[in-house]
Amino acid sequence: DAGVIQSPRHEVTEMGQEVTLRCKPISGHNSLFWYRQTMMRGLELLIYFNNNVPIDDSGMPEDRFSAKMPNASFSTLKIQPSEPRDSAVYFCASSLAYRGEQYFGPGTRLTVT
Amino acid sequence: AQSVTQLDSQVPVFEEAPVELRCNYSSSVSVYLFWYVQYPNQGLQLLLKYLSGSTLVKGINGFEAEFNKSQTSFHLRKPSVHISDTAEYFCAAGSGNTGKLIFGQGTTLQVKP
Repeated sequence: DAGVIQSPRHEVTEMGQEVTLRCKPISGHNSLFWYRQTMMRGLELLIYFNNNVPIDDSGMPEDRFSAKMPNASFSTLKIQPSEPRDSAVYFCASSLAYRGEQYFGPGTRLTVT
Repeated sequence: AQSVTQLDSQVPVFEEAPVELRCNYSSSVSVYLFWYVQYPNQGLQLLLKYLSGSTLVKGINGFEAEFNKSQTSFHLRKPSVHISDTAEYFCAAGSGNTGKLIFGQGTTLQVKP
């Protein structure tokens, strides 16, 4: 299996622009998680899905952030409009919910100038 | 609410010395526990997991951890570290069947020659 795939790996954009991050989970996994990692705040869970349904989005910082999972093999995290404080590494992870272990993608490093 | 505390933010150690990275969790329900490692500019990689059964768990790269229910701890150990073990280590806990994990703040292991 190719593991969790994220794209792009790096994104540099200007403040106010829309940013879309993409994730393909491991085939057969039914849970998907979006995290954000910064030096100041560490690893934060933004939102997670079970069977394509959002279960908990309490970690989404504000309305500028949105996430979708239209099918079992694809998810997006969108930031509109982006701000410099959104600069971070964004990770996607997937799991078989009942086993708990999550498998992480390589991350997308977002820089907003 | 469930929480995970990693007691040391940084642990410096000389090569070939033993190391212990400490992790405590709080939970009133059965938990499953994990240790992840993150090398620079990479995603998190699963080191080992405790779901049930034997309290001593062996993982990759010579690491092991012991689940101690009475002390609510899950400390990570390695008898002899290598330079290549220099990385960030995260302890995580989950419960139920949602797959959601609570992560500690991370411990930076610095192995010196």
